[in-house]
Amino acid sequence: RKEVEQDPGPFNVPEGATVAFNCTYSNSASQSFFWYRQDCRKEPKLLMSVYSSGNEDGRFTAQLNRASQYISLLIRDSKLSDSATYLCVVVPRNTPLVFGKGTRLSVIA
Amino acid sequence: NAGVTQTPKFQVLKTGQSMTLQCAQDMNHEYMSWYRQDPGMGLRLIHYSVGAGITDQGEVPNGYNVSRSTTEDFPLRLLSAAPSQTSVYFCASSYSWGGETQYFGPGTRLLVL
Repeated sequence: RKEVEQDPGPFNVPEGATVAFNCTYSNSASQSFFWYRQDCRKEPKLLMSVYSSGNEDGRFTAQLNRASQYISLLIRDSKLSDSATYLCVVVPRNTPLVFGKGTRLSVIA
Repeated sequence: NAGVTQTPKFQVLKTGQSMTLQCAQDMNHEYMSWYRQDPGMGLRLIHYSVGAGITDQGEVPNGYNVSRSTTEDFPLRLLSAAPSQTSVYFCASSYSWGGETQYFGPGTRLLVL
């Protein structure tokens, strides 16, 4: 099993739709989790951290399920500007962080 | 603050040539790293450094060298370029390595013929 796995997509959704991405990880000792966003031909940028209690930032909600070893990202009321690749990041204990391969989202007018 | 800067933005090399990709940050970050990104492969860690004078190998270190003589700079050297090293290279830095936001440079696109 790979360390971090994501559905590569693409997810093609209409504007206003709700879309959810999941990411599974294999290292149960992982301690921190993040979602990054990467626009085409640009560098990745932090979207949000993921906390055990779940957290929300506007239209974006991130959740962590330690028992099942997955994290999720929910985007409500999708905008054209949300089109990007979303990278799941897992930070194991005492080793460098690990990036998933990313899930591509395309929001269509 | 300039953040993380990388030079050059683009480079074309011939097989066997050597070159250095430059990376600098002005945020006084201890942790710096180099990734390569290939289609369908995601970001793969090449080398990383937890502070000046300390470097370690990542997932795909073969064919690359690094050094960290100052906190600010973390150059990546390609010893003898191969077509398999055609990729986009990103440098990143963070205050520490565990659970901190990674700040990425804009990337270097490298083509090896």
